[in-house]
Amino acid sequence: AQSVSQHNHHVILSEAASLELGCNYSYGGTVNLFWYVQYPGQHLQLLLKYFSGDPLVKGIKGFEAEFIKSKFSFNLRKPSVQWSDTAEYFCAVNGDTGRRALTFGSGTRLQVQP
Amino acid sequence: NAGVTQTPKFRVLKTGQSMTLLCAQDMNHEYMYWYRQDPGMGLRLIHYSVGEGTTAKGEVPDGYNVSRLKKQNFLLGLESAAPSQTSVYFCASSYLGQGASQPQHFGDGTRLSIL
Repeated sequence: AQSVSQHNHHVILSEAASLELGCNYSYGGTVNLFWYVQYPGQHLQLLLKYFSGDPLVKGIKGFEAEFIKSKFSFNLRKPSVQWSDTAEYFCAVNGDTGRRALTFGSGTRLQVQP
Repeated sequence: NAGVTQTPKFRVLKTGQSMTLLCAQDMNHEYMYWYRQDPGMGLRLIHYSVGEGTTAKGEVPDGYNVSRLKKQNFLLGLESAAPSQTSVYFCASSYLGQGASQPQHFGDGTRLSIL
């Protein structure tokens, strides 16, 4: 079975601070990894994904994530956050199974103070 | 360019009542999913479908039923609502594509309260 852990439940930053959100997964086979963002009152939107190739993945809005296979990690980073980044962030994994459903972490609520 | 549309957006039910949530996608996606989102628990898979006429159970299927009679629609039913089913429900769809790397596209959610 696959599982995802997000250790930071609530993060508060000031504008222009750097961000790193942790994500660790558990799955023995080939994985596809995703970060989704949910702005207040909205649906989930894809930030970025990793499925093969360069382990450093760049997404929308200046976000990036690094896949470290040896650590089973896929941490999300942004060098300088903005107030508009206030949202909930979900890491998700999809093992190479026929079901293709995502297993989500519990989410990290990011609050950026102006 | 609607994407994934869920109806209704909000609903309040009394314990024991039944209702159906509708999900419609216009992207010709093969895969469709129903998740529930509860505070501090992320999203959990209720049921999913890999194509028209097929459905399968996810992690938390008890108390729910689904149907996929048309490729573009995926219905989630609550036969006898319970307070534990108070949640936000999200529908998602994804393209068949190559492998499991296809991202899922989500609807805006249905906020359901069971009194």
